[in-house]
Amino acid sequence: EVQLLESGGGLVQPGGSLRLSCAASGFTFSSYAMSWVRQAPGKGLEWVSAISGSGGSTYYADSVKGRFTISRDNSKNTLYLQMNSLRAEDTAVYYCAKASTVTPYWYFDLWGRGTLVTVSS
Amino acid sequence: VIWMTQSPSLLSASTGDRVTISCRMSQGISSYLAWYQQKPGKAPELLIYAASTLQSGVPSRFSGSGSGTDFTLTISCLQSEDFATYYCQQYYSFPRTFGQGTKVEIK
Repeated sequence: EVQLLESGGGLVQPGGSLRLSCAASGFTFSSYAMSWVRQAPGKGLEWVSAISGSGGSTYYADSVKGRFTISRDNSKNTLYLQMNSLRAEDTAVYYCAKASTVTPYWYFDLWGRGTLVTVSS
Repeated sequence: VIWMTQSPSLLSASTGDRVTISCRMSQGISSYLAWYQQKPGKAPELLIYAASTLQSGVPSRFSGSGSGTDFTLTISCLQSEDFATYYCQQYYSFPRTFGQGTKVEIK
């Protein structure tokens, strides 16, 4: 079955760190770019970061640049998001999403269920 | 950054209605636009890509149109399962951006 399963969310204090994981199955993981998209409570969708299939190229939203690091382990079919210097405004459900194609023009054709990150003292 | 203006933010409609949601870009993106549906507590689901191509399994009452800067999502005959929030998203460039969302509620 084609699926994405996020884990690693939880409660963390402001200034703290957390690492999210996304386990992929049912497709050739290394062939596709992957992304993280978040949604603050009651708000819309915000793209956070993306990484190419090889892991050689990474992209970030300005709101997380310098604080978050995206990475992947293609041998484990797993995507990661290392989040440092967390702020209250980072509180959100974080979704892992798969790119639709291997070309540069990709949308999200598969989403995980999400993992909740709460930044609060 | 490509800014997106999605309207309306809230749409009240009845079952059987035809509804239209608009998405306008701050610059041209050809047809690199997708639409997603999200229900409460669930992940978004892909409805349409390339502005007008229906994702496999999506009912034909959904349709998309437009190119360049102006795009539209139309639901021709609203069903009970269509009450949800809809987002447009451009994939022409980074950063990927989403519209603010349109909540379709029961009138």
